[in-house]
Amino acid sequence: AQSVTQLGSHVSVSEGALVLLRCNYSSSVPPYLFWYVQYPNQGLQLLLKYTSAATLVKGINGFEAEFKKSETSFHLTKPSAHMSDAAEYFCAVSARGGGSYIPTFGRGTSLIVHP
Amino acid sequence: SQTIHQWPATLVQPVGSPLSLECTVEGTSNPNLYWYRQAAGRGLQLLFYSVGIGQISSEVPQNLSASRPQDRQFILSSKKLLLSDSGFYLCAWTRQRGGYEQYFGPGTRLTVT
Repeated sequence: AQSVTQLGSHVSVSEGALVLLRCNYSSSVPPYLFWYVQYPNQGLQLLLKYTSAATLVKGINGFEAEFKKSETSFHLTKPSAHMSDAAEYFCAVSARGGGSYIPTFGRGTSLIVHP
Repeated sequence: SQTIHQWPATLVQPVGSPLSLECTVEGTSNPNLYWYRQAAGRGLQLLFYSVGIGQISSEVPQNLSASRPQDRQFILSSKKLLLSDSGFYLCAWTRQRGGYEQYFGPGTRLTVT
């Protein structure tokens, strides 16, 4: 069984400020973890993924996330927010090794960037 | 490289009318295929997934159905639409063995009036 919790349905930051989007997961087997971004009226786009190599994962658009097994967390960060980062962000977990064909998504966090 | 197509991009249909949404994937073979729905301001709801031709698993019982007539084609259908079927429909694929990242299509915005 697996689940994902994204803390905060909305996160508001000023342009240039640190972005921190929180994701906690539970999984009965070692997980793959993902962050996706969705712009209005578009499909989801993969930002980054953790597949058991380095615990600090770098993705596109300057985002990165750190896998912390002890905290069962996979928080997404970006040092300096840009107006173009305003979007919906989804964290997802999938069972490693093909144990399940169905990933579990969090409910999403809407990132609002103020000028 | 792989690409995923969905059509139509937008659709306005009256209550009680039929529905057919199509999704096709290029550049890969034997993908797992998925249909999701997003209601306004809400997360992703998995509707159906398929691990092979003719193999469909339903996650949410409702008046929708799915079919996979070809390896890289996934169709979402309804005989009679309800108002509650309005939403943003997304198709996605992932590699056959599972556990990997999903690649999403551009989506279809369905409004049932």
